Amino acid sequence: DAGVIQSPRHEVTEMGQEVTLRCKPISGHDYLFWYRQTMMRGLELLIYFNNNVPIDDSGMPEDRFSAKMPNASFSTLKIQPSEPRDSAVYFCASSLGLAGGGQFFGPGTRLTVL
Amino acid sequence: KQEVTQIPAALSVPEGENLVLNCSFTDSAIYNLQWFRQDPGKGLTSLLLIQSSQREQTSGRLNASLDKSSGRSTLYIAASQPGDSATYLCAAEGGGADGLTFGKGTHLIIQP
Repeated sequence: DAGVIQSPRHEVTEMGQEVTLRCKPISGHDYLFWYRQTMMRGLELLIYFNNNVPIDDSGMPEDRFSAKMPNASFSTLKIQPSEPRDSAVYFCASSLGLAGGGQFFGPGTRLTVL
Repeated sequence: KQEVTQIPAALSVPEGENLVLNCSFTDSAIYNLQWFRQDPGKGLTSLLLIQSSQREQTSGRLNASLDKSSGRSTLYIAASQPGDSATYLCAAEGGGADGLTFGKGTHLIIQP
């Protein structure tokens, strides 16, 4: 398996623009997680899905953030409008079960909002 | 709310030394604890996963232990090498939180 795939790897945009991050989980995994990593706050869970259904989005910082999972092999995290404080690395991870064999992370998307 | 703390925040040692990285968590009702490695500008590489029913896991020169009752885990690196230089993160799954709760990491430098 190719592992968790994220795109783009790098994104530079201007404040106010819409940003869409994409993730393809490992085939067969039924949980998908979105995390954000910043220098100040470290790695934080934003939202996670089980069988394509959002379960907990309490980590989503603001209404400007939204996430979808239209099918088992694809998820998006959208920021609209983007702000400079959204600059971070966004990771997607997937797992088989919630307390199973651990989570597997994608390479991340480094987002810079100017 | 689960909180994970890693000590020390940074560590620099000469090559060949054995070292221990510490991780503590506030809620012992975890499903598992996972140790990751992160190289600068890179993603997360899973090193070891310890299920809540286990006491330790080993992979090569790495050994991780888990003491749920005291809320502690340690990562032991034997015979350190310059290639071990990276940031090491521990993360607890469960304990009142879904998903992983991460510590801030230990930034490790192995001097040649």
